[in-house]
Amino acid sequence: DAKTTQPNSMESNEEEPVHLPCNHSTISGTDYIHWYRQLPSQGPEYVIHGLTSNVNNRMASLAIAEDRKSSTLILHRATLRDAAVYYCILRDPGNTPLVFGKGTRLSVIA
Amino acid sequence: DAGVTQSPTHLIKTRGQQVTLRCSPKSGHDTVSWYQQALGQGPQFIFQYYEEEERQRGNFPDRFSGHQFPNYSSELNVNALLLGDSALYLCASSFSGSILREQYFGPGTRLTVT
Repeated sequence: DAKTTQPNSMESNEEEPVHLPCNHSTISGTDYIHWYRQLPSQGPEYVIHGLTSNVNNRMASLAIAEDRKSSTLILHRATLRDAAVYYCILRDPGNTPLVFGKGTRLSVIA
Repeated sequence: DAGVTQSPTHLIKTRGQQVTLRCSPKSGHDTVSWYQQALGQGPQFIFQYYEEEERQRGNFPDRFSGHQFPNYSSELNVNALLLGDSALYLCASSFSGSILREQYFGPGTRLTVT
């Protein structure tokens, strides 16, 4: 079962920043926080991951709470192409499968 | 560099029939995982293949079986199809030498059972 809690849906205006929250109060010390997204009619794609420190890459930023019980995926300027279902997943560094919840469906309005 | 490819794209089968889905991993990847995604749900892990053996399995019945070939490609077989098997079947590949074993997904095969 998924160990994360995300809002079912969120809406954003184009070119505005988007903050997608994720609660994971039962996270263990070795769990990494992964974010994947699934664009319409495509398979999921990796977005970003982190352990304790905030992370940035070309797609997004990941802000991790100090107690690691929550995190936020930040899209700095949402575009129409960012409309997707975003999944927050906890995963230990071993070869464990991804456990998906229902994710957050992000709609972007032009 | 080709990513993960899956065939066929769509498939329609009748209850009780058998189906085989195929997956070619991303170049350089040696591990293949299969997921089932029902409409409106997140993907659910079926099993994982590495070195031509099933290494991990999710909560799926024995009707679901698979195979991995020496070139790392993989097949998913489902016997005695049920209406509830209608779903998007996703293949994901990863490299065993990567610490976090980031998974790359294919576009999926849409299976409809009538």
